Amino acid sequence: LAKTTQPISMDSYEGQEVNITCSHNNIATNDYITWYQQFPSQGPRFIIQGYKTKVTNEVASLFIPADRKSSTLSLPRVSLSDTAVYYCLVGDLGGNTPLVFGKGTRLSVIA
Amino acid sequence: EAQVTQNPRYLITVTGKKLTVTCSQNMNHEYMSWYRQDPGLGLRQIYYSMNVEVTDKGDVPEGYKVSRKEKRNFPLILESPSPNQTSLYFCASSLTARYGYTFGSGTRLTVV
Repeated sequence: LAKTTQPISMDSYEGQEVNITCSHNNIATNDYITWYQQFPSQGPRFIIQGYKTKVTNEVASLFIPADRKSSTLSLPRVSLSDTAVYYCLVGDLGGNTPLVFGKGTRLSVIA
Repeated sequence: EAQVTQNPRYLITVTGKKLTVTCSQNMNHEYMSWYRQDPGLGLRQIYYSMNVEVTDKGDVPEGYKVSRKEKRNFPLILESPSPNQTSLYFCASSLTARYGYTFGSGTRLTVV
């Protein structure tokens, strides 16, 4: 599975849009991209998943360029409650290998 | 309510005293997994199971055992706990290894 690289931390003010970019240069044709959110002392929570182009749900949007070597999680108008660690993961569509969590990006939202 | 239940939530034990952390899911998921989380190291996988009677080592399996005798339960066993196993542990389950994982509330273990 492709290794992912994402910033260690980011800061944002309330009400701003936050974009967290993840690099996965070695992504394979059979791989998809998924993002999780984790609050302190809680288990990670699934946010969004995609294979290519753009995916949007009630929480976030995921942008994946044509070469799929990176992806961007977009959180619209963040609030203090969006302060969390965000993980970018690459997994195989067949589900034959488990997702590997890295250290994630620690997002701090400031009032 | 669909959930993954871990017990206990908090545990303090002494070095060498065998312990079991239970994990149960009520979603008929095939895939289950254990992680530990330590400051600065992120989430590291200990063991996972693709289905009943099938278990595999993750990144940090040393000092741990698991079993998957039935689909809903996936206990984590520490035969002889040591202080370096002090950590926050999470159990997760999913329909398959691909789909969105549901995590338990965590077990904070302290070994003295």
